[in-house]
Amino acid sequence: SQTIHQWPATLVQPVGSPLSLECTVEGTSNPNLYWYRQAAGRGLQLLFYSVGIGQISSEVPQNLSASRPQDRQFILSSKKLLLSDSGFYLCAWNPGQGVSNEKLFFGSGTQLSVL
Amino acid sequence: GQNIDQPTEMTATEGAIVQINCTYQTSGFNGLFWYQQHAGEAPTFLSYNVLDGLEEKGRFSSFLSRSKGYSYLLLKELQMKDSASYLCAVSDSNYQLIWGAGTKLIIKP
Repeated sequence: SQTIHQWPATLVQPVGSPLSLECTVEGTSNPNLYWYRQAAGRGLQLLFYSVGIGQISSEVPQNLSASRPQDRQFILSSKKLLLSDSGFYLCAWNPGQGVSNEKLFFGSGTQLSVL
Repeated sequence: GQNIDQPTEMTATEGAIVQINCTYQTSGFNGLFWYQQHAGEAPTFLSYNVLDGLEEKGRFSSFLSRSKGYSYLLLKELQMKDSASYLCAVSDSNYQLIWGAGTKLIIKP
């Protein structure tokens, strides 16, 4: 069966520090991978998605970047965190190559607090 | 612009029935999803509607009217564990998901 791992679960970082959140998927090949941010009282905001290794699409301009060094690994990074980067970050995947209408499977999330 | 509207919060009694509404305006439509999210946890898939009508799955049902841009999630025989946020999301013409802000459902004994 397929599983998705996301870590760390919580993170407290000072402003200006770097960030690296990692997500891996097991039990499937060529998944579509996503990074979302969830702010209180707002809908999920898609940050990045990837349909294959090295293929990253960014939905909103921001202080963050994403990379997909391996088929089932998706990394969210920042060189210098801002206060506004605080939030609940969710990694997700769905099957298939290219955009699809398959349901999403989410990781357990990372609560990031930038102080 | 694209917009998903759902109530911010609802309260219901254990054992009762509750209906959570979702209205949408999107560029194209390729289906509507409902997810459940307990506090501090990941969303989990509940239902998917792409054709008009009612989809029933145990205690949960989801209804869609494409002409009205409207959906609802119906929860029957409410249990305390149903206390969660319920997220409505619409897949647009590019298969991008547009998410509502979620409805926090509080179940009282």
